[in-house]
Amino acid sequence: QSALTQPPSASGSPGQSVTISCTGTSSDVGGYNYVSWYQQHPGKAPKLMIYEVSKRPSGVPDRFSGSKSGNTASLTVSGLQAEDEAFYYCSSYGGSRVFGGGTKLTVL
Amino acid sequence: EVQLVESGGGLVQPGGSLRLSCAASGFAFSRDWMDWVRQAPGKGLEWVANTNQDGSERYYVDSVKGRFTISRDNAKNSLYLQMNSLSAEDTAVYYCARNRGWFSFDSWGQGTLVTVSS
Repeated sequence: QSALTQPPSASGSPGQSVTISCTGTSSDVGGYNYVSWYQQHPGKAPKLMIYEVSKRPSGVPDRFSGSKSGNTASLTVSGLQAEDEAFYYCSSYGGSRVFGGGTKLTVL
Repeated sequence: EVQLVESGGGLVQPGGSLRLSCAASGFAFSRDWMDWVRQAPGKGLEWVANTNQDGSERYYVDSVKGRFTISRDNAKNSLYLQMNSLSAEDTAVYYCARNRGWFSFDSWGQGTLVTVSS
């Protein structure tokens, strides 16, 4: 079961925008509109930030947005804030129940 | 407010067993699929197992098949993970999570640490 592919790191300055990618296959990301994104601060549980590619749960700031093109999904964080520094994981419905390897977002 | 509280983690010797519990509150537990997800130290998330609303369907990641058993008691609003034949590779924080469908988890517990070491 191969994990979805994410870049290990991403960074941006406060106020800037940063995009994190999540690449899968036509059997998962490309085949369904069921991509989710999770934020995890060190020592804390993951938190759902985006579901069904681009929907935000109640309470998640609209600075967080999701999209998908082909087999690649993306999470964009706009207006970066210090508290956005965390690990971000993607997941997708599909043949394998796997998460992405995670991306450490650093706010410079 | 949805709450998931795991317990039962600890230090266990290789080959040993452990039973994790997850107490749920704040939602209709019997209506949801429930999952266990683990995270080895310094590593990413790994899906472990899930079960449907009445416990009649159970699915596992290949690495734990035959060793772990997921179960639930809807009368007690509780989810369980029986772990046998543990090895060092099972060392991780184990989270229970509510599955909102389509492999998406909208609520997570705080996690319980399982350490397999002699």
